[in-house]
Amino acid sequence: AQKVTQAQTEISVVEKEDVTLDCVYETRDTTYYLFWYKQPPSGELVFLIRRNSFDEQNEISGRYSWNFQKSTSSFNFTITASQVVDSAVYFCALGNYQLIWGAGTKLIIKP
Amino acid sequence: DVKVTQSSRYLVKRTGEKVFLECVQDMDHENMFWYRQDPGLGLRLIYFSYDVKMKEKGDIPEGYSVSREKKERFSLILESASTNQTSMYLCASSPAGGRTEAFFGQGTRLTVV
Repeated sequence: AQKVTQAQTEISVVEKEDVTLDCVYETRDTTYYLFWYKQPPSGELVFLIRRNSFDEQNEISGRYSWNFQKSTSSFNFTITASQVVDSAVYFCALGNYQLIWGAGTKLIIKP
Repeated sequence: DVKVTQSSRYLVKRTGEKVFLECVQDMDHENMFWYRQDPGLGLRLIYFSYDVKMKEKGDIPEGYSVSREKKERFSLILESASTNQTSMYLCASSPAGGRTEAFFGQGTRLTVV
């Protein structure tokens, strides 16, 4: 069975703190894809990153970074020096034929 | 700028009404999806379509049907709306199913009273 677990339902931090959102997945496929999406209060999901199962290189994009570890089936997302505009619900998803979604983590950044 | 457009941002319908939610994409994508989003449950797939007139049931198809007569348009139909279908409905499109980035519409918040 395929599954994505985002154990953190809600995280609240003060602006400028670093924060890590956890994502653990289960799949028997050897080829698969992992995604992170952001859903701001406006409601529209915005794509952040896609990794395939053969590429375990970590990725950094500005204040965002992603740590993909096949050994622990995790694809964690870190925001460095968080800002109020980062407040949103973040979803992790596992894809191949279909996308399997985690339940989401609501991130609140307080000024 | 690529776009997925849902016909309504907010809808209020009465129990028993037939409800149409429309979604249009301008990216020539083969795949289109309808999701339902409820708090704590993430996104749940209702139906998807991988080609014109082709459709497959997702995880929660009961009470819903879909129509894809043209490549760019994917409609979700609630045959007889019920209060437990009050939810946020999200349409998405992608060029290759779950292997590529999906593009989402702004969502339709449906309330059935």
